[in-house]
Amino acid sequence: KAGVTQTPRYLIKTRGQQVTLSCSPISGHRSVSWYQQTPGQGLQFLFEYFSETQRNKGNFPGRFSGRQFSNSRSEMNVSTLELGDSALYLCASSLGLAGNEQFFGPGTRLTVL
Amino acid sequence: GDSVTQMEGPVTLSEEAFLTINCTYTATGYPSLFWYVQYPGEGLQLLLKATKADDKGSNKGFEATYRKETTSFHLEKGSVQVSDSAVYFCASIKAAGNKLTFGGGTRVLVKP
Repeated sequence: KAGVTQTPRYLIKTRGQQVTLSCSPISGHRSVSWYQQTPGQGLQFLFEYFSETQRNKGNFPGRFSGRQFSNSRSEMNVSTLELGDSALYLCASSLGLAGNEQFFGPGTRLTVL
Repeated sequence: GDSVTQMEGPVTLSEEAFLTINCTYTATGYPSLFWYVQYPGEGLQLLLKATKADDKGSNKGFEATYRKETTSFHLEKGSVQVSDSAVYFCASIKAAGNKLTFGGGTRVLVKP
């Protein structure tokens, strides 16, 4: 079974630009969650989507948004990029049942210059 | 809110040494607990899990027991290898949700 895939793997953007990251979950998984990983803040939850609906949201500004499509693929968007948005963005998929284990993709490394 | 605290690294060990990484959690209710491992340049891999008190998760020689009385989930391995060098994350998830709360991570370096 194919794992979680994320594209692109690396991105370089400049301040003020916007970026879209993509995540394809494991086949049959309906829940997709996004996490931001930085050296200073560690791993922080961004949001979770299930059946095309946002089910949970972390404490991030409105510049961070996401969506999920009918095939469970998910995208997250960051607008008006700031230097502090430089991070590894990880996507995780799960069956969607509460408390289930989550399977992570390799991440997208975003660098904001 | 929920939180997970784990010992800070880096932890440097010689091959075949005993490894223990402490992890404690605070949570309402009865969360499920996980250990994830991250190798350089990669995402997180689930190492083991436990879903209720006194459960023992185990995988690849690693073990951790869900201790409700001490709210702990310490990771142990009896004999580490160089290939175990990685960053280890303890995490909790509420029974009613899908949001993982992570500890700060512990970098482990095993020297030959």
